[in-house]
Formats: sequence, C-alpha cells, structure tokens
Amino acid sequence: DTGVSQDPRHKITKRGQNVTFRCDPISEHNRLYWYRQTLGQGPEFLTYFQNEAQLEKSRLLSDRFSAERPKGSFSTLEIQRTEQGDSAMYLCASSYPGTDEQYFGPGTRLTVT
Amino acid sequence: GQNIDQPTEMTATEGAIVQINCTYQTSGFNGLFWYQQHAGEAPTFLSYNVLDGLEEKGRFSSFLSRSKGYSYLLLKELQMKDSASYLCAVRDLGSGGSYIPTFGRGTSLIVHP
Repeated sequence: DTGVSQDPRHKITKRGQNVTFRCDPISEHNRLYWYRQTLGQGPEFLTYFQNEAQLEKSRLLSDRFSAERPKGSFSTLEIQRTEQGDSAMYLCASSYPGTDEQYFGPGTRLTVT
Repeated sequence: GQNIDQPTEMTATEGAIVQINCTYQTSGFNGLFWYQQHAGEAPTFLSYNVLDGLEEKGRFSSFLSRSKGYSYLLLKELQMKDSASYLCAVRDLGSGGSYIPTFGRGTSLIVHP
C-alpha cells in the first residue's frame, strides 16, 4: 500500500495559464475527493467521485474547474485561465466503500503569479 | 448549508489534558470526524462518531451529542508532537444526494514544555 499520491507537488504558473493535477488513490478505494486548502483554513470540498461517476460538485466551484476520473482509478483536476485567487494547496483523498475515513495525499501547492 | 465552529488556537502543557470543542449546524447530519494536520502536511484521520457518546482510542477520545450539535476531542498525556491543527468535519447531505464532509477551520494546538 503506497498511499495516495499526487503530482506535481508544486506548480508555479502565470495568471491565465491552464494547469492540470493528478491524483492516484489507494487501489482498493472507490471514493475520491478533491479539496482546496488555504493558510489557516480547513480543507474546502471541491468534488467527489464514486468509481468513475462524479456525484458531487461544490457550488463554489467555477466553470474554470473540471475534474475527471475516466477509469475509476486516477483522477485529474484542471483549472483553466488561472487567477491569483486560485493559489492554494490542492488535496486529494480517497476512502473505502461504506466509510468516509479519508486518506489524504501530500497535496499539490499551486502558486499563480 | 453547514456552519462549523471551533476555537482558532489553544495552548497546553506537556503531560496535561486538553479538550477541543466543535459545534455545528447541518441539514442532514451523518457523522462527525476529527483529523490531525501537522504544519505543511496532509490531514490524518483520528476518529469518527455517528452515534451519541464517547469513542476512546488510546490517548485520544471523541464525544458527540447530536441533539446539541456538539462534539469534543480530548487529548490526554499531551506530548510535544501533538502540536498540530485539529480539524472537525461533519458529514452532511450534498446537493447531489451524496454525503460529503465539510471541514471546520481547525484549532491550532500548541503544546509547550
């Protein structure tokens, strides 16, 4: 069990560029979550997959954000036309069926300049 | 929507006991979690309560009162390594019909010698 992995760990981009992050959950986990966390705040829910189906999406998530989990394994989160306000830590977490004990990845820290 | 309230910061002495409170308001409560997050790291699961009462796990215990919308995390025999942020998260019904966790801002605990 290698745990949840995320790539890249750090990303610096210029405003207006598109970025894509990848999350590989623990292999037996069918649930996958994306969160955004800024300094001094708790993780803010973005979206949730059960297998390949995207079942929940935060109302706070703008149209510039999209997530996929095409084969029910890894997931990608894309942010289009990045803005400085998108600078944050993006966390991925996964969990077993029937439980919400989530295992978090190390996160991708995004800095938009 | 959800409203989760926990103190911003607490300090305690090594070897002592500390209680971190969390109050919440939800529309479809389905469980409460506590996570620990060290600075610069991802959250790690501590406890889960869905029924009223106390759950004990080693030095950590968590209590829930659903009627009062109240939980606490009790840490005994504090160690320096317990200095971290403690996140209260409530599992609530999302707009898509799935239960999703909403995190509070976290309580930063500082343990001093």
